[in-house]
Amino acid sequence: EIVMTQSPATLSVSPGERATLSCRASQSVSSKLAWYQQKPGQAPRLLIYGASTRATGIPARFSGSGSGTEFTLTISSLQSEDFAVYYCQQYNNWPRTFGQGTKVEIK
Amino acid sequence: EVQLVESGGGLVPPGGSLRLSCAASEFSFSDYYLSWVRQAPGKGLEWVANIKQDGSEKNYVDSVKGRFTISRDNAQNSLYLQMNSLRAEDTAIYYCVGGGWYATYWGQGTLVTVSS
Repeated sequence: EIVMTQSPATLSVSPGERATLSCRASQSVSSKLAWYQQKPGQAPRLLIYGASTRATGIPARFSGSGSGTEFTLTISSLQSEDFAVYYCQQYNNWPRTFGQGTKVEIK
Repeated sequence: EVQLVESGGGLVPPGGSLRLSCAASEFSFSDYYLSWVRQAPGKGLEWVANIKQDGSEKNYVDSVKGRFTISRDNAQNSLYLQMNSLRAEDTAIYYCVGGGWYATYWGQGTLVTVSS
């Protein structure tokens, strides 16, 4: 099983600032990496797939990069609605596995 | 707008069974792999099972193999998860998901609580 490790566990950011979230895979997943956003009491929402392709309706301030074992999700200018938990997920192998999440909170 | 609506969750004693259902609308149901993803209270996400468009291929995470069965009815636009021999660690919100590689569409989830 591929283990996905996200860092940091919590990121404190001021509105308007840039946020950079990291995700590392225990072995290469090529570019088969997705990112999700989850707000309290809601289902997750797909943000990015293929490591860097934004899902339908996702604002351009969200961008993904990386390949192999190292990935990054960048939120260029945090809006109030972006404070949430973010998960990465690999789909190169079965079982599909998620990172433990990064909580982005208001500084 | 795509809608995935889960039902069938509830309280069940350890060793019991439960069948979850997911009804889809505004969605090309038969074109998609479908999956179940769960989230224990206050915890992260776990991909439980997926099923190919025609039902010919199914995959399960090790922790549920032999206990859970995923199935689908394309004529009814419905996805199912039969859960047997339930354990306390199966307690979670179960999400119906459109997609077998990454989760494009999500239902609102149904809570399964395994407790005596």
